[in-house]
Amino acid sequence: EADIYQTPRYLVIGTGKKITLECSQTMGHDKMYWYQQDPGMELHLIHYSYGVNSTEKGDLSSESTVSRIRTEHFPLTLESARPSHTSQYLCASSLDSTEAFFGQGTRLTVV
Amino acid sequence: GQQLNQSPQSMFIQEGEDVSMNCTSSSIFNTWLWYKQDPGEGPVLLIALYKAGELTSNGRLTAQFGITRKDSFLNISASIPSDVGIYFCAGPGYAGNNRKLIWGLGTSLAVNP
Repeated sequence: EADIYQTPRYLVIGTGKKITLECSQTMGHDKMYWYQQDPGMELHLIHYSYGVNSTEKGDLSSESTVSRIRTEHFPLTLESARPSHTSQYLCASSLDSTEAFFGQGTRLTVV
Repeated sequence: GQQLNQSPQSMFIQEGEDVSMNCTSSSIFNTWLWYKQDPGEGPVLLIALYKAGELTSNGRLTAQFGITRKDSFLNISASIPSDVGIYFCAGPGYAGNNRKLIWGLGTSLAVNP
């Protein structure tokens, strides 16, 4: 059973607000990822990290930022939320760059 | 860059039918992964394949690593309503100098009870 947790599960927030989506894993994985996914659509990698103090932008340009100060924690922040940020955000981790384990996701709605 | 072509894009079947979907690439992959995503949840790993020609089962699911290492197949036998979801294939690849997972676009499965 994968031990990776995302909070909140659902978030409805007004335009212009700052938000942080939390992601934690207890498996000691060095590699962590954030994906953005619209309902029923493909997964888009927006950020990844190969270890503490290492973060990279993914394939899809995103206005969000991430940090990796501790191995187990990989939060994603939006400084000023907009309706175009409405989506599902999925966090994942892996021991190497193969099998990834996902959290349950955060469904974000910006009104 | 490396791409995975997954087909069919969607399937609508009757309960009890068998299902087959596949994933192909113009590049060689050394590992093939099959995930299932239930509505509103994160993807869950179903089967991992590590060797060309490998055939692996997980209950009613069977996946094969193609002998050319450029394709993989997932079969579901005797489908049931809880098989509904999106099935993704994935494999480790490179984007520039960085190694990461490459994803197919998914096969959406609907099962009519």
